[in-house]
Order: sequence, then structure tokens, then C-alpha cells
Amino acid sequence: KNEVEQSPQNLTAQEGEFITINCSYSVGISALHWLQQHPGGGIVSLFMLSSGKKKHGRLIATINIQEKHSSLHITASHPRDSAVYICAAPTGNQFYFGTGTSLTVIP
Amino acid sequence: DVKVTQSSRYLVKRTGEKVFLECVQDMDHENMFWYRQDPGLGLRLIYFSYDVKMKEKGDIPEGYSVSREKKERFSLILESASTNQTSMYLCASRKGYGYTFGSGTRLTVV
Repeated sequence: KNEVEQSPQNLTAQEGEFITINCSYSVGISALHWLQQHPGGGIVSLFMLSSGKKKHGRLIATINIQEKHSSLHITASHPRDSAVYICAAPTGNQFYFGTGTSLTVIP
Repeated sequence: DVKVTQSSRYLVKRTGEKVFLECVQDMDHENMFWYRQDPGLGLRLIYFSYDVKMKEKGDIPEGYSVSREKKERFSLILESASTNQTSMYLCASRKGYGYTFGSGTRLTVV
């Protein structure tokens, strides 16, 4: 059993569509990370959130600590959003990672 | 911003070679990590370090060792590279809940 489950694994969208990626976790955490990895690239941190909602440009992340669930939304998606999105749950000295959602946005 | 630098983006090595992957961070973080990333398996922890000369095994330490002689540098060593160690290797540095990743080293063992 994975401590962090993401869905969907793969996602293809038309440019302009609203996108949602979901993350459920079973470990107790105080904060959750959303990470982005472009093809062949390193990983950058998009959000770290412990409650409610955070917004950065067209990206919105929400978390419900009681339900152990988080979502990443992309509004008005663009081909440059094509990347792998990973949710990560820190606990103790470890991070538990989801296996990632590979997003392709088609022009 | 914290910067985590991995010395090589792409590396090709022969089976049996000793391979060093270097990682340097510039913000005096105590905790550093090495992960490998494989399709369908996500990120898996190889080793991590709390402080200089401290190291702990992660989930998949077999075939790897690490060195942390200075706080800013955490090296991953493949004693005798094998083809099943072909992967993307990512270094990370952490303070509190904040995590910073390096840009990764794609290692191919032929």
C-alpha cells in the first residue's frame, strides 16, 4: 500500500481546459507539497500547504487535512504546463511521494 | 533562494565502474537526501544524512554508499555500476518542511 496515492496517472487536455489532479495520503502530516517536473528537468516546489487553499497564477492547491486529501487545479491550461506533477507528504525525516501525474496539454 | 547543484546532468558509465554523483547546497541545511526516480515507481529514497558524517539508509540502499564530509556536500557512490542502476538521480536539501531539489542527473550504465 502506498502512503500517497495520486490520480490520474496520465492526463491529456486541450489548451484552455480546467485540470484537476488529486492526492490522497494515509500518513499523518502537517503540510503537503506539490512538485512539478518538466521533461528531462529537475523538480521544483509549487506549493507547500497545511490548510485551506493557495493560489499562484493559474495554479490552485487545496487541502483537507481531516479527509487527508489534496487537489491541484490548473485553470486555462497551456502547453507549457505539460509536466509531471507530484504530491509529497513529509513525515518525520522522510518524504512520501506519489508516483506522479503526467500532464500533456495539446495546443 | 536555496540552491542545490548536482554536478552532472547526463552521465554514461560502463558496467563495473565506480561512479560518484555530487550534490552541493548553499544554505547550510542539515538534512540532505538522494533519490532515484524510475517510471511507474516514482521517487525512492536511497540514503539521507542528518549532518556531517551522519548517514541513514533509505528504502533502496543496496549497491550504493554515500559520503558527507562537509555540510554542504553529499555524494552518492555506486561502488560497481550495474545496468539496473540506470535511472534519474535527484538530490534534495531540507530545512523544516521546506524541500529543495537539484536538477537531477540522468545516469546510463552500459
